[in-house]
Amino acid sequence: GAVVSQHPSWVICKSGTSVKIECRSLDFQATTMFWYRQFPKQSLMLMATSNEGSKATYEQGVEKDKFLINHASLTLSTLTVTSAHPEDSSFYICSASDGTQYFGPGTRLTVL
Amino acid sequence: GESVGLHLPTLSVQEGDNSIINCAYSNSASDYFIWYKQESGKGPQFIIDIRSNMDKRQGQRVTVLLNKTVKHLSLQIAATQPGDSAVYFCAENPNTGGFKTIFGAGTRLFVKA
Repeated sequence: GAVVSQHPSWVICKSGTSVKIECRSLDFQATTMFWYRQFPKQSLMLMATSNEGSKATYEQGVEKDKFLINHASLTLSTLTVTSAHPEDSSFYICSASDGTQYFGPGTRLTVL
Repeated sequence: GESVGLHLPTLSVQEGDNSIINCAYSNSASDYFIWYKQESGKGPQFIIDIRSNMDKRQGQRVTVLLNKTVKHLSLQIAATQPGDSAVYFCAENPNTGGFKTIFGAGTRLFVKA
């Protein structure tokens, strides 16, 4: 089956720094990638939809200047959390779609 | 806003019993629904899906029922096993022209051996 990877699987950073998370579709080309955030004991919240070669579409309430998304190729999308703060600590999950949506394993971000 | 989960409700069942997990969805225009299983620290895993032109679909040990009249989905797991212990989410495609998936609140299933 289709595989989506994320890197890193976990990251700890200091407040005020920026963190980049990669999402890759390993064996298929993804026309669309999605980024979700999940707080403990809560559901997945869609942050943005990313199409290759175009600007991401952000959901209401998600700051596009804080969560920078780049979808440079059909197999790679990146999410950069800029000037991270402790409240950004969360589990970030991407998915990639070629018509069917496949989820990555998630990245645990902890901001100290 | 989109569906947001608060603290997850829990369903506890005995190993070997059948489990029924319920979900209410929000958008009457949604035309595609999916159930996902999420284990601790991992991404969601696809279980079964159903389109809005169906009211029932069966997989291996799982059945999804869709009631569009009351916007309700259920997931039935037959002969529940300890490995089924996880959080289960229903999700909908709101049919807004893209493939985005909106997740429901989730239910934690705990299987007692």
